[in-house]
Amino acid sequence: NAGVMQNPRHLVRRRGQEARLRCSPMKGHSHVYWYRQLPEEGLKFMVYLQKENIIDESGMPKERFSAEFPKEGPSILRIQQVVRGDSAAYFCASSPPGELFFGEGSRLTVL
Amino acid sequence: DAKTTQPPSMDCAEGRAANLPCNHSTISGNEYVYWYRQIHSQGPQYIIHGLKNNETNEMASLIITEDRKSSTLILPHATLRDTAVYYCIVSYVTGANSKLTFGKGITLSVRP
Repeated sequence: NAGVMQNPRHLVRRRGQEARLRCSPMKGHSHVYWYRQLPEEGLKFMVYLQKENIIDESGMPKERFSAEFPKEGPSILRIQQVVRGDSAAYFCASSPPGELFFGEGSRLTVL
Repeated sequence: DAKTTQPPSMDCAEGRAANLPCNHSTISGNEYVYWYRQIHSQGPQYIIHGLKNNETNEMASLIITEDRKSSTLILPHATLRDTAVYYCIVSYVTGANSKLTFGKGITLSVRP
């Protein structure tokens, strides 16, 4: 069984560009979570999705950030008009009911 | 979700048992105790979880007090590769309209 796959592992963007981070959950998992970890800080919940539905987006910034989990394909975390403060590691996790399985993260650097 | 309290750091000698404490005095009846760890900057790794009975798997044991207000994660024979930040989290079962809220965790340093 492949684990949670995230890509790209590293992404460099200039201020004002868009960043798209992808997450393929483990086979059979229909719940996806996104977390952000700023340098030297803890993991912060961003959003929880099931197929085609956003269940909880209480941790998402109100502007520039969006997430989707379509019926087919990976979950996408999209950051528009990136700023330097968006530089962080973004972790995706998938779940059946029970424990979360995390990917290795996507590290975004904004120049 | 109920909050947890963990010491910021601890260390132990390689080969010895590491006992990581966690207080969760406001835990509700249906909330589980989860433990995860994060090694360096890798993705968090699930360790174990339990409701009220003690649990054991190939990685660790989880001891939950009878009143469920605290728990201890035990790594029976710590190795250098167990050096990580360990997170104790209480939550309703994940994947059922619930999420995990990570605190600061406890940094475990295993010394040779």
